Amino acid sequence: DTGVSQDPRHKITKRGQNVTFRCDPISEHNRLYWYRQTLGQGPEFLTYFQNEAQLEKSRLLSDRFSAERPKGSFSTLEIQRTEQGDSAMYLCASSSETDYYGYTFGSGTRLTVV
Amino acid sequence: AQSVSQHNHHVILSEAASLELGCNYSYGGTVNLFWYVQYPGQHLQLLLKYFSGDPLVKGIKGFEAEFIKSKFSFNLRKPSVQWSDTAEYFCAVNAGDAGNNRKLIWGLGTSLAVNP
Repeated sequence: DTGVSQDPRHKITKRGQNVTFRCDPISEHNRLYWYRQTLGQGPEFLTYFQNEAQLEKSRLLSDRFSAERPKGSFSTLEIQRTEQGDSAMYLCASSSETDYYGYTFGSGTRLTVV
Repeated sequence: AQSVSQHNHHVILSEAASLELGCNYSYGGTVNLFWYVQYPGQHLQLLLKYFSGDPLVKGIKGFEAEFIKSKFSFNLRKPSVQWSDTAEYFCAVNAGDAGNNRKLIWGLGTSLAVNP
């Protein structure tokens, strides 16, 4: 499968714990996006990478959130000291330099904070 | 700031009925417009997109959308729906002159249920 992979698919964690999600984009895509989607809402932009550079970070992303893309390939999204309000589907998408809007989405990681 | 409004949150149709889902956006400049679909248990998929040119855009699975600049609208249509069209539909917009970040601003989505 050459699509966007996200791991894990589901994560249940206790409030206060740290969690880390991984996204593997399509290999030739240099742009990578993280979005968050809660029930009954459309996706909300969190952050964006071009290669390894994090070029924009939403105000939705509090200091507890951090994202990296160290070698311009896979990316990780870490949430520290999780809160119940962090429960959501975390979506990763990638696109190429030339097909600017040809987003390919992963299946997402569903986080439940209990 | 850009925003996207989808008028119908839940739509129920019978097979062979015609579909039109409304989408309006707020942004005064050049825009790029998208419709995405999310089938139950699957990831978001691009249905169609508009960048420029012919305002009537044809997408996959018989869907089309019309960009009406004067109305800030990009409504999705299909002349005859099938049970397999049951899904969540999202309209999204990006400012065409937004520089390097091509993030999308999304509507809340419309849940479509097609009865066989």
